[in-house]
Amino acid sequence: SQQGEEDPQALSIQEGENATMNCSYKTSINNLQWYRQNSGRGLVHLILIRSNEREKHSGRLRVTLDTSKKSSSLLITASRAADTASYFCATDRRNQGGKLIFGQGTELSVKP
Amino acid sequence: DSGVTQTPKHLITATGQRVTLRCSPRSGDLSVYWYQQSLDQGLQFLIQYYNGEERAKGNILERFSAQQFPDLHSELNLSSLELGDSALYFCASSVGHNEQFFGPGTRLTVL
Repeated sequence: SQQGEEDPQALSIQEGENATMNCSYKTSINNLQWYRQNSGRGLVHLILIRSNEREKHSGRLRVTLDTSKKSSSLLITASRAADTASYFCATDRRNQGGKLIFGQGTELSVKP
Repeated sequence: DSGVTQTPKHLITATGQRVTLRCSPRSGDLSVYWYQQSLDQGLQFLIQYYNGEERAKGNILERFSAQQFPDLHSELNLSSLELGDSALYFCASSVGHNEQFFGPGTRLTVL
């Protein structure tokens, strides 16, 4: 079963705009990870945020984590056409050995 | 390039057949995970190995099995294949509770 619920399911924006994707989960976690997937290809790791962290940055990416609400958000600033992809959140649940439980993903389309 | 390799990239086979998918983890990573991605089920965890031993199992069918060898590469065996087994199969590796790095996947088509 899927741990994470992501919204929106699809997002269409213009180049230069910011894109925000949200992820909610149900149980206690060790960490939460965000991945990008281009059209049926491999999963690219974007960022990991641990349960004791609230915010993390990597380049144009900003991830927040609210463990009290069991939610996370991924913000991509100044988006580019090359950011067009599916974005997944995945949770590493406590006492589960490290396996990741994925959400259904957000399909982001950035129009030039 | 994640450092995780998977072979083959594509596999086309018939119902009832058996196939083996291979994964080599990143150098130094002891944990190997297998995931299946299909349109109807999304990305699902199948099984995890740590340093040669099975660590966790997900919704893996009895027709599927895996193992991790002393050199840490892993194989996923799928037998008595059905049309519904058509999917992308990913392998990932990690060190502890850290980033999991995914291979490029094997696209399995069962005809």
